[in-house]
Amino acid sequence: QSALTQPASVSGSPGQSITISCTGTSSDVGGYNYVSWYQQHPGKAPKLMISDVSNRPSGVSNRFSGSKSGNTASLTISGLQAEDEADYHCSSYTTSSTWVFGGGTKLTVL
Amino acid sequence: QVQLVQSGAEVKKPGASVKVSCKASGYTFTGYYMHWVRQAPGQGLEWMGWINPNNGGTYYAQKFQGRITMTRDAPISIVYMELSSLRSDDTAVYYCARGVAVATKGSWFDPWGQGTLVTVSS
Repeated sequence: QSALTQPASVSGSPGQSITISCTGTSSDVGGYNYVSWYQQHPGKAPKLMISDVSNRPSGVSNRFSGSKSGNTASLTISGLQAEDEADYHCSSYTTSSTWVFGGGTKLTVL
Repeated sequence: QVQLVQSGAEVKKPGASVKVSCKASGYTFTGYYMHWVRQAPGQGLEWMGWINPNNGGTYYAQKFQGRITMTRDAPISIVYMELSSLRSDDTAVYYCARGVAVATKGSWFDPWGQGTLVTVSS
């Protein structure tokens, strides 16, 4: 199972919006509404930000939103804040009953 | 609150085995799958497998089959992940992460343990 494809890095200024893409295949992202997103600050464990494509867990800011079209899922962060600077990872359930992650995207807040 | 606390860092020689523990608290231990995910230095996340703490059932990524064993001790709410025949490219931070409730639909990992650094070096 190949890793999902994410951009290595994205950047934005405070207050702006950014979108991180996560591209897979019909065997993972396109096959199920089971894409999740994780935020990871340096030296810390990942934190769930979005589950099942677009569900935001309790306690996660409504500035974070998720969507999917075909084999590509997206995470959008609006109103960028300095604290949003982190690595972001997507994950999808697959037709092999396994999970696959993306390579991670480093978000820089300028 | 739901919490996962992992065992401490390990240094192992190539060919050896390592066993990492993950103690759960704040929820019904047998009610949720537990997954293991690893992250090599500077790399992305890699899913390794899951265990059903209720019945001990497991499912491993093909890459690790034959080298990985996940077990649990339900009375003390601990899951274990043992990886054998260690190589230098097994050097990584290993995380346990709670999955969805058993027999429910959905797919996410929440929360995660703090991570255990396993270094494989001669």
